[in-house]
Amino acid sequence: DTGVSQDPRHKITKRGQNVTFRCDPISEHNRLYWYRQTLGQGPEFLTYFQNEAQLEKSRLLSDRFSAERPKGSFSTLEIQRTEQGDSAMYLCASSLEWAANTEAFFGQGTRLTVV
Amino acid sequence: KNQVEQSPQSLIILEGKNCTLQCNYTVSPFSNLRWYKQDTGRGPVSLTIMTFSENTKSNGRYTATLDADTKQSSLHITASQLSDSASYICVVSAGANDYKLSFGAGTTVTVRA
Repeated sequence: DTGVSQDPRHKITKRGQNVTFRCDPISEHNRLYWYRQTLGQGPEFLTYFQNEAQLEKSRLLSDRFSAERPKGSFSTLEIQRTEQGDSAMYLCASSLEWAANTEAFFGQGTRLTVV
Repeated sequence: KNQVEQSPQSLIILEGKNCTLQCNYTVSPFSNLRWYKQDTGRGPVSLTIMTFSENTKSNGRYTATLDADTKQSSLHITASQLSDSASYICVVSAGANDYKLSFGAGTTVTVRA
């Protein structure tokens, strides 16, 4: 499978626990994005990497959230001390570069449920 | 306030019928507008991408239109199939290198036999 893959697909955790999600982008894509989607809403931008550099973070990304892309390939998104409001689908996307017609490919997402 | 508004929120159509979804946006400057299809529990999949100079683009039974002057777009589904049941999301990119896509809330389409 040469698409964007995310792991795990589903995660149920107790409030206060830490969770980590992984995203493997399409191999030649240098740009990687994280989005969060709550039920009935479109995805919201969280953060963006170009190669290993994290170039921007949304205000939605509180101090409990951290994302890394250490070697410019896969990325991880960690949420510390999870809260019920963190329950959402976390989507990863990748692209080769961002121009007017650049395609962004999304993974299947990781659905997080905080109980 | 969301800069991308979609209507209707949901619709139900019979298999074989056509339908049209609407998208109004206020994102500026405008670079391109995309329509994505998102099946329940899965990531969005791109259907069409249009820049400001394009006013129509087709992908099989999906046809998107864009009026950059009125900042409106539509997605027309022809001869709907059961597999078209999904959420259709309008996404607008501002500026040539803006990676912070603005997503609409989506229109949920249910196709019934």
